[in-house]
Amino acid sequence: KAGVTQTPRYLIKTRGQQVTLSCSPISGHRSVSWYQQTPGQGLQFLFEYFSETQRNKGNFPGRFSGRQFSNSRSEMNVSTLELGDSALYLCASSSRGQDSYEQYFGPGTRLTVT
Amino acid sequence: GQSLEQPSEVTAVEGAIVQINCTYQTSGFYGLSWYQQHDGGAPTFLSYNGLDGLEETGRFSSFLSRSDSYGYLLLQELQMKDSASYFCAVIGAGKSTFGDGTTLTVKP
Repeated sequence: KAGVTQTPRYLIKTRGQQVTLSCSPISGHRSVSWYQQTPGQGLQFLFEYFSETQRNKGNFPGRFSGRQFSNSRSEMNVSTLELGDSALYLCASSSRGQDSYEQYFGPGTRLTVT
Repeated sequence: GQSLEQPSEVTAVEGAIVQINCTYQTSGFYGLSWYQQHDGGAPTFLSYNGLDGLEETGRFSSFLSRSDSYGYLLLQELQMKDSASYFCAVIGAGKSTFGDGTTLTVKP
């Protein structure tokens, strides 16, 4: 089974721009969760999509949004980028969602905002 | 809400045993998962405790005490490749909350 893939792997953007990140889950998994990880910090939960519906949302501003397509692929969008948005963005897929004890993580997209 | 505490850093020597503790405050608790993340890599699942007691998987074991809201990950016969960050995660109803991670450094 192919693992979770994320594109692009690295991205450099300028403050004020917007960015779209993509995540393809493991085949058959209907849940995709997004996390932000900054140096020395844990994984901060952004949101979870299950069968094209946002099921859970973390404490992030409205500049962070996402969606999921019928093939379970998910995109995350950040508008009006700020320097503090520089981070590793991870997506994780599972069959059940956020209450799955095992989530499968992609390699992440490292976003640098200058 | 949910909160977790784990030590930020632990150092041990090759061949030793190390224990990484995790205490949590939460409602709607299902269990505790542990993940390993090497520098620059993706977190990978290590272990899960849904019931009190010890779960053993090779050199790694994980323990949970629901009454104490406490768990730990035990790594035995440490190897250099075990140098990584280790995260505990509280699994609840419709939500997983990760700790800030413990950086384990294994020295020769």
